[in-house]
Amino acid sequence: GQSLEQPSEVTAVEGAIVQINCTYQTSGFYGLSWYQQHDGGAPTFLSYNALDGLEETGRFSSFLSRSDSYGYLLLQELQMKDSASYFCAVEGRRALTFGSGTRLQVQP
Amino acid sequence: AAGVIQSPRHLIKEKRETATLKCYPIPRHDTVYWYQQGPGQDPQFLISFYEKMQSDKGSIPDRFSAQQFSDYHSELNMSSLELGDSALYFCASSLGPGTSGDTGELFFGEGSRLTVL
Repeated sequence: GQSLEQPSEVTAVEGAIVQINCTYQTSGFYGLSWYQQHDGGAPTFLSYNALDGLEETGRFSSFLSRSDSYGYLLLQELQMKDSASYFCAVEGRRALTFGSGTRLQVQP
Repeated sequence: AAGVIQSPRHLIKEKRETATLKCYPIPRHDTVYWYQQGPGQDPQFLISFYEKMQSDKGSIPDRFSAQQFSDYHSELNMSSLELGDSALYFCASSLGPGTSGDTGELFFGEGSRLTVL
């Protein structure tokens, strides 16, 4: 089966940097994705790591260590609009499996 | 750019009734996924289709069925509805049987909110 663990909540202030960790267990692994979801909205894709290392996309970066079954999402220069839930998701032998989500609250 | 279209956006049903949700994937996307998301929960994978054939099955109740049609749109049929079926149902699409090539991206629709009374 597949399971993912990530913190349930994170709070940070505007302009700060926050890191959301994700550990996973899966039978078969193709990649780790990150999605953002605002309340009542659809998940939207942020990043994908198939290989070890850091992927940078603007203010967001994502890291993967396959040997440690671990990844993280790094959000820099936090803005109020970044308040949302962030899900890591594993692409394994079956369709994308989501973690339970981390609710990020950005405060002024 | 065209996105994934889901209908209806909102649906209210009574217990034991049936409901059908529709999903129109992005043009040229041949893979469709259905996810169920309860309040405060993560999206739970229900079922997926690739080239009109079921490709994977998750935690979909036996009361639910789905199919993908020749034009690649998909329908999720839910019967004998229960209160616990109240949730947001997302459809997502991608190119190919996995996520979109090297990007790993699923494209989600805005969801259909089902309320069972």
